[in-house]
Amino acid sequence: NAGVTQTPKFRVLKTGQSMTLLCAQDMNHEYMYWYRQDPGMGLRLIHYSVGEGTTAKGEVPDGYNVSRLKKQNFLLGLESAAPSQTSVYFCASSPPGTRNTGELFFGEGSRLTVL
Amino acid sequence: GDSVTQMEGPVTLSEEAFLTINCTYTATGYPSLFWYVQYPGEGLQLLLKATKADDKGSNKGFEATYRKETTSFHLEKGSVQVSDSAVYFCALLRGTGRRALTFGSGTRLQVQP
Repeated sequence: NAGVTQTPKFRVLKTGQSMTLLCAQDMNHEYMYWYRQDPGMGLRLIHYSVGEGTTAKGEVPDGYNVSRLKKQNFLLGLESAAPSQTSVYFCASSPPGTRNTGELFFGEGSRLTVL
Repeated sequence: GDSVTQMEGPVTLSEEAFLTINCTYTATGYPSLFWYVQYPGEGLQLLLKATKADDKGSNKGFEATYRKETTSFHLEKGSVQVSDSAVYFCALLRGTGRRALTFGSGTRLQVQP
């Protein structure tokens, strides 16, 4: 059972470089989310999507872009990485019909370091 | 805006001790409340939830009761095990508006044998 898969799991970038994190889910979920996890701050929502072709901003969207071209994939892009974007990034998805229940399925996380 | 406040950790207990992790929230309307757990090197997973006042969520020996009068959702377990060592997150889902969880900062629990 793959569930929610994130790639890459680790990445080191230099300031100003760009990269894309890929999230893939095989559970036919409608909702997908990108969170970042920082020490002492819990998880903060970056962007989310309620279906294929749709995206919306969360709490901390600045410096990030997302795309949901296929239902199973949700991409998070950093166009010009900054040290403040050093974090652990989690993708999550939520099943259809229960999207109001808060039952999210998380990937294992992607640790990004920006030097 | 919505917010969730958890007690700071780490919390260090001996095996079979009683656990309480405090959680209070601020939200408009009637949110649903959750506890998620993150084991080392893994993503978060749902531990338990409650959707309305006075509901009790329970799972794996953990319990939490939705207290609207005190805006709290404290996590308890009567006898912890080493395998319970993890980070625990309290979260809320607003009844209306954006369909995304708001998380607390997390509380690390370490259980010693």
